[in-house]
Amino acid sequence: ETGVTQSPTHLIKTRGQQVTLRCSSQSGHNTVSWYQQALGQGPQFIFQYYREEENGRGNFPPRFSGLQFPNYSSELNVNALELDDSALYLCASSLGGWTKPSEQYFGPGTRLTVT
Amino acid sequence: AQKITQTQPGMFVQEKEAVTLDCTYDTSDPSYGLFWYKQPSSGEMIFLIYQGSYDQQNATEGRYSLNFQKARKSANLVISASQLGDSAMYFCAMREGESGGYQKVTFGTGTKLQVIP
Repeated sequence: ETGVTQSPTHLIKTRGQQVTLRCSSQSGHNTVSWYQQALGQGPQFIFQYYREEENGRGNFPPRFSGLQFPNYSSELNVNALELDDSALYLCASSLGGWTKPSEQYFGPGTRLTVT
Repeated sequence: AQKITQTQPGMFVQEKEAVTLDCTYDTSDPSYGLFWYKQPSSGEMIFLIYQGSYDQQNATEGRYSLNFQKARKSANLVISASQLGDSAMYFCAMREGESGGYQKVTFGTGTKLQVIP
């Protein structure tokens, strides 16, 4: 148990719709990163939030956006869903720019299916 | 350019035997970190081991060791005395940049390890 939770566990959406995924960080962690993992692939970095501000982004279009709240929970929003958005979405929390991966804890993920 | 390359899509190993999972990387950043994660079928990423680019000795964590060859840009994971519970996907990943602050992490495509009784 890492103390990082994600909801929902599974989600089915239709192309063109919007979706919000949620992540609750480990207590005291002020940094959250989101990853997209397509089937059979490694996770790809979407973006990172530190103290409610986005401070890094991977190669994802603007329709992928996020929010981090004062209690350090966070959301990933995806607009205008495409079939290729079907993936496992992972969030990982850490404390202020982690120095080693053991200080970054992953949640169990949300499996999104777009039909 | 592929930053992390894992050339073994799948591997089999007999229980109690040792197995090596290959990983090569590419970066021009002098400060970087390499690590391995295990992902069981449940989906959660489990941290296994970490090697910093300036670390003099190869990292070890219990049955896991990282064979770091800087000149060859390789960071292979060695699992000794394999157990049935080791069956999972294994990902090699690289962090670039100085510690602290924003750090982009790049993952490889993974190796599926199956331990045979």
